[in-house]
Amino acid sequence: EEHLLESGGTLIQPGGSLTLSCRASGFTFSTYAMGWVRQAPGKGLEWVSTISTGAINTYYSDSAKGRFLISRDSSSNTLSLQMNNVRVEDTAKYYCAKASEDFWNGYIFDSWGLGTLVTVSS
Amino acid sequence: EIVLTQSPEFKSVAPQEKVTITCRASQSISNSLHWYQQKPDQSPKLLIKHASQSFSGVPSRFSGSGSGTHFTLTISSLEPEDAATYFCHQTSTFPYTFGQGTKLEIK
Repeated sequence: EEHLLESGGTLIQPGGSLTLSCRASGFTFSTYAMGWVRQAPGKGLEWVSTISTGAINTYYSDSAKGRFLISRDSSSNTLSLQMNNVRVEDTAKYYCAKASEDFWNGYIFDSWGLGTLVTVSS
Repeated sequence: EIVLTQSPEFKSVAPQEKVTITCRASQSISNSLHWYQQKPDQSPKLLIKHASQSFSGVPSRFSGSGSGTHFTLTISSLEPEDAATYFCHQTSTFPYTFGQGTKLEIK
């Protein structure tokens, strides 16, 4: 059974940095693209970032570009999201998701973790 | 950025009734449109991919159709466990985007 477990969410002050992690199990991690989607309290879903297999390509939302860094480690089956210079509007639950298919067909999130909560507040 | 607009934003429906949710894209996205179900305090679950392909394990009462800019998700006979928020999502062009969601209540 596929399983994604996020960690690293916390209360952090504006301008600070943190790293979210996602430990994957139940599938061959290295052969799937992965990504992050967030959801502000009581709001809808917002795509944040996607990383291809082998970390060859990375993609970011406009709000994440230049501040967040997605990475993956196939030796530990771990996906990471380094978040720098966080803002109040980054407050959300961050979901890790496994993506099927590819760039040409679209990276479709077909398995999701339970999420980790990031709260940005002074 | 491709904007996805769902309608309605809220719907209250009796069990066994048929429900249709619409998602319109601000530009053509071919069939790169997918549907998710999110129940309260749960993570989203993929229902339909590429506009009309049912994802593994999804009940047959869920179906999708459309292409280009107009898409629909249909629940043929509503069950009490279908109470949830439904989101459409496009993977035609980066940045990927989601619709604002349709909250479905069971009467």
